[in-house]
Amino acid sequence: EADIYQTPRYLVIGTGKKITLECSQTMGHDKMYWYQQDPGMELHLIHYSYGVNSTEKGDLSSESTVSRIRTEHFPLTLESARPSHTSQYLCASSEWGKMNTEAFFGQGTRLTVV
Amino acid sequence: QQQVKQSPQSLIVQKGGISIINCAYENTAFDYFPWYQQFPGKGPALLIAIRPDVSEKKEGRFTISFNKSAKQFSLHIMDSQPGDSATYFCAASSKTGANNLFFGTGTRLTVIP
Repeated sequence: EADIYQTPRYLVIGTGKKITLECSQTMGHDKMYWYQQDPGMELHLIHYSYGVNSTEKGDLSSESTVSRIRTEHFPLTLESARPSHTSQYLCASSEWGKMNTEAFFGQGTRLTVV
Repeated sequence: QQQVKQSPQSLIVQKGGISIINCAYENTAFDYFPWYQQFPGKGPALLIAIRPDVSEKKEGRFTISFNKSAKQFSLHIMDSQPGDSATYFCAASSKTGANNLFFGTGTRLTVIP
């Protein structure tokens, strides 16, 4: 069982609200990721981080922002939620600096913006 | 553009049958090819992975076949069981650059009793 936790599991929120999705891992991994998974299953990388104070944009453009102040914590924020942000958000982590290591995923946050 | 192409999108197999999912890639810098399994309500979890220096890797009922010249790899699930019903993702990464995983579009496998 992976030691990576996401909260909340489900969130229904009104348009225009600010939200923060939490992600924490206890494995000491340097690298962390946020993926957006649409109803068609496909996983899109939206943000990643190599370590503290590092944040990078992924392959899919996103209006969300991330921060990495502590190794174990990688929250994702939407300043003003819109219905187009409705999706499943998956956080993951892996070791960095070693070749081809396993990514561990959290259970995801299913976000619905009404 | 899609870095890793996966097919089929969905697959229905009888219990005891063989499930086969195929993936193809273009980037010759890719040097790590994992398969992830995702059950409803859960995040993906690593199932099995291969590096391009071998053509096949087997773990229990799960086998990856890898064809470097064709830039293709596939997952074979032998003696498929209803408990194997899940979504399967192939992926690829390169140790150069950011070393991020590029995922296929996923295959929803249903094994019927």
